[in-house]
Amino acid sequence: EAQVTQNPRYLITVTGKKLTVTCSQNMNHEYMSWYRQDPGLGLRQIYYSMNVEVTDKGDVPEGYKVSRKEKRNFPLILESPSPNQTSLYFCASSPQGATQYFGPGTRLTVL
Amino acid sequence: DAKTTQPNSMESNEEEPVHLPCNHSTISGTDYIHWYRQLPSQGPEYVIHGLTSNVNNRMASLAIAEDRKSSTLILHRATLRDAAVYYCILRALWETSGSRLTFGEGTQLTVNP
Repeated sequence: EAQVTQNPRYLITVTGKKLTVTCSQNMNHEYMSWYRQDPGLGLRQIYYSMNVEVTDKGDVPEGYKVSRKEKRNFPLILESPSPNQTSLYFCASSPQGATQYFGPGTRLTVL
Repeated sequence: DAKTTQPNSMESNEEEPVHLPCNHSTISGTDYIHWYRQLPSQGPEYVIHGLTSNVNNRMASLAIAEDRKSSTLILHRATLRDAAVYYCILRALWETSGSRLTFGEGTQLTVNP
C-alpha cells in the first residue's frame, strides 16, 4: 500500500532533550516536506526537500533540522526542544506534480 | 499571494448533496484550484483540483465559475465519513512539487445522521 509513515505518533518529552521524528514514504517521490499544525495558524511548512541531499527552509524552520540521505526517508530533528514546539507535525511527499500525500501526524508535547 | 475565503462551518444531512463554496476573487490566470480535506486525527488528503473546466473524480466534483473568482466542491451524497475540514487552495501553474501548500482555516463540515 502506498503510504507515508511517521514515528512516533505521540511523544511527550522535556525541554532540551534531543528527539527525532521519522518519516518514510514508499512511493519513490522526489519531494518531501514537514509541516506543523497549530490552532488558529493552520499548517505551516517547516522544511522541504526536492531530492536526496537537497533541503531548504520553509516558513518556520527555527529550532528544527532535517536530512535527506535516502529518497524514502526525511527525518525531523529537534536538537533542543522547547515548549513552543508543542504541536501536531505532518510529513508529506509528492511526485512531480500537484498532489501531496500526508502522513498520519505526530503529536508532540514538550514540557 | 492570491487568497481564498471559505465559510468557517457547514452542516449537512447524511446522503444529501453538499456544496462547499470558495471565493478567490484575486485568482490569477495560471492558478489551479485545489481542494484537500482533513478528517479528524488524520493528515490532509487530496480531493480534487482544476483550472477552468468542471472536474469529476470518485470523491467529488469541482464546479468553477466562468470568471474563476469562485468555485464549489460538491459531495454528491454525504456520508458520516465525509465529516472533515475542507481546504480550498490556489497553486500557480509554474509551481513544482517543491513548493508548499498554503492552508487557510478551511470549512468544518458536519454531517448529521
